[in-house]
Amino acid sequence: EVQLVQSGAEVKKSGESLKISCKGSGYNFAGYWVGWVRQRPGKGLEWMGVIYPDDSDTRYSPSFQGHVTFSVDKSNNTAYLQWRSLKASDTAMYYCARQGGVGYYGRSDPWGQGTLVTVSS
Amino acid sequence: DIVLTQSPGTLSLSPGDTATLSCRASETVTSNYLAWYQQRPGQAPRLLIYGASDRAAGIPDRFIGRGSGTDFTLSISRLEPEDFAVYYCQQYGRPTLTFGGGTKVEIK
Repeated sequence: EVQLVQSGAEVKKSGESLKISCKGSGYNFAGYWVGWVRQRPGKGLEWMGVIYPDDSDTRYSPSFQGHVTFSVDKSNNTAYLQWRSLKASDTAMYYCARQGGVGYYGRSDPWGQGTLVTVSS
Repeated sequence: DIVLTQSPGTLSLSPGDTATLSCRASETVTSNYLAWYQQRPGQAPRLLIYGASDRAAGIPDRFIGRGSGTDFTLSISRLEPEDFAVYYCQQYGRPTLTFGGGTKVEIK
C-alpha cells in the first residue's frame, strides 16, 4: 500500500524554528515528486511547492518562496518542511502528498494525514 | 498563475439528491490536467477525479467529472451520508499548481 505518514502536531512560539516530516512507503520514493499543501483553520487548500527526492530538485510557489524550505533524506524515504522563524500566521495544518502521473508534477495522491502546527505569539 | 473559481460556495442537498459542482479556470487548463478532491471533516483530502474525467482507484461511479478548457464540473449522484464534505478542484498543468476555493456540500 502506498502511504505517507507525517510527524505529530507541534506547538511553538513566534520566532522559533521547526522541521516536520513526511515518510513514504510502498513505492519508489525517490522517483515521485512530493508536494506540500497548507490549510489554515477553516480555510481552503494552498499549494506550497514540490521536491523531487532523487536529486532534491525543489520548486516553490511564489507565495511561499523564501518563507519555508523543503528538504529530503532519500535514504530514509522522508521529506521535510522547515521554518527558520515561525510566525503566528503559520498556524495551519500542513499536508504532504505524492505527485504522480502526467501533468507538470502530476496529481496529488495519496496524501499524508497532516501535521497541525500551532504558533503562539 | 491559473485562478480556479468554484461555485456555489455551499450546496444544501438531501441524501439521494444529485450535486453539481462547478470549477472555472481563468485560462485554459493544459491538457485538461484538472483534478477533484474530497475532504471530509477532520480528514486529509482524497483524490476523486484526475484528467478532468478519470476516476481514481476505488471511487464509485456516482462521481462523474466532465469538462475541458476552462469549464469543469463534478457531479455526484444519489448522495450518500459520507458524500457530505468539501470538494476542491486543482489544476496541475502549469509549474504552479493551484486549487479552487472549495464547495461545501451540506445536508439540507
